Amino acid sequence: TQLLEQSPQFLSIQEGENLTVYCNSSSVFSSLQWYRQEPGEGPVLLVTVVTGGEVKKLKRLTFQFGDARKDSSLHITAAQPGDTGLYLCAGAAGSARQLTFGSGTQLTVLP
Amino acid sequence: KAGVTQTPRYLIKTRGQQVTLSCSPISGHRSVSWYQQTPGQGLQFLFEYFSETQRNKGNFPGRFSGRQFSNSRSEMNVSTLELGDSALYLCASSLGRPRETQYFGPGTRLLVL
Repeated sequence: TQLLEQSPQFLSIQEGENLTVYCNSSSVFSSLQWYRQEPGEGPVLLVTVVTGGEVKKLKRLTFQFGDARKDSSLHITAAQPGDTGLYLCAGAAGSARQLTFGSGTQLTVLP
Repeated sequence: KAGVTQTPRYLIKTRGQQVTLSCSPISGHRSVSWYQQTPGQGLQFLFEYFSETQRNKGNFPGRFSGRQFSNSRSEMNVSTLELGDSALYLCASSLGRPRETQYFGPGTRLLVL
C-alpha cells in the first residue's frame, strides 16, 4: 500500500507570512498533484508535477517534486486569507489512474 | 462546460438502510472515480468506472458497489449502512487516460444515524 504523509496537519499563520507544506512517501510516484479543498466543496486541482526535480510556480505558490519522485512541497509566499483551505497532495503510481491522497494540511490565514 | 455534478448533496439515513448516490461527469469524460472522505481516514479510493466497466477497485467491503451507464453517469450504492459510513462521498471524472487530471464534484454528505 502506498502512503503519502503530509505535514503539518494544521497551520495557522498571519497574513503576509510564508509557509511550506510537505508531502512525503517511501514509494515512487509517476505524478503528483496538489489540490485545495474548501468547506462543502470537492478538491480543486492546483498543479500536477511529473518530472523529478520539477518546480512549478502558480502566482504566489511554488510546487516542487523531489528528484526521486517520492516527495513534494508546496510553498506559499505572502499568504492571504483567501489561501485558507485544506491542501491535499495526491500521487499516481505508474500508469494507474487511482490517486493516493495525503491526509491533508488545514491552512488558516488570519487577516 | 458544466462541471461534475453529484446528487443529492446531503443525505441522512439510519443503520441498516441502503443508499444510492449519483454522479454526472463532465461532458465527454468517460471515466468516473469514487472516493470516500472522512476526518479520520482522509480521502480513500473506492472504485473507478470506464465505459460501463469497473476498471479499478479500492479496499472497501462488498457493501460498496457501483455502476456506470452508457452516458457515463455513475451511481454508487452502499447497502446495510453502518455508522462508520458517514462521510463525504466524492466523484471525479476524466477522459480516462493515465496521469490525467481528475475533476471533482462537490460531493454528497452522508450521515448515518
